[in-house]
Amino acid sequence: GESVGLHLPTLSVQEGDNSIINCAYSNSASDYFIWYKQESGKGPQFIIDIRSNMDKRQGQRVTVLLNKTVKHLSLQIAATQPGDSAVYFCAERGYSTLTFGKGTMLLVSP
Amino acid sequence: DGGITQSPKYLFRKEGQNVTLSCEQNLNHDAMYWYRQDPGQGLRLIYYSQIVNDFQKGDIAEGYSVSREKKESFPLTVTSAQKNPTAFYLCASSTGFNQPQHFGDGTRLSIL
Repeated sequence: GESVGLHLPTLSVQEGDNSIINCAYSNSASDYFIWYKQESGKGPQFIIDIRSNMDKRQGQRVTVLLNKTVKHLSLQIAATQPGDSAVYFCAERGYSTLTFGKGTMLLVSP
Repeated sequence: DGGITQSPKYLFRKEGQNVTLSCEQNLNHDAMYWYRQDPGQGLRLIYYSQIVNDFQKGDIAEGYSVSREKKESFPLTVTSAQKNPTAFYLCASSTGFNQPQHFGDGTRLSIL
């Protein structure tokens, strides 16, 4: 999306495929995690969140998985649609404010 | 509808000029935040405010200033001391500090 997406890892999928976007976080004390979606020229939108006492949470067409052992978070999008094309990034809540990852650009081809 | 409004969407600054970016929310949120977004980078926190008449520096506060005189409003001034101001600026708010943040649609600042 505009210049926000430059130099970001990119995942290209076909419409209807399932997409998996990954995020490695840094703070083992982080207790809360959020996935955001950012479309071109817009602000980030909340997608789904998960607390550290859970390892999986499902929403509508989205699932977040948390692996605290390796400090890894993933976002799974089922039956990906062209409207899902955007930059996706995770955020973790540690000792102070939220820390945001750099993001992954998802490109969905019809 | 409740939300966060940032204005203007595009802003141009001349060398040596201060400019102010507006952020208004009608979500009745206590906490508000300003972030800077550069290509290929994560959001970087400039300033945040947990409550009216109080604000704290974030990770990259140099060259910026804020005020929080009203709960609804958290304007950001980009001063002439900020030598590399070209970026996408995002304002956010949350019910409490470090709760999920709701974002505005940003202001893109460029240098003439």
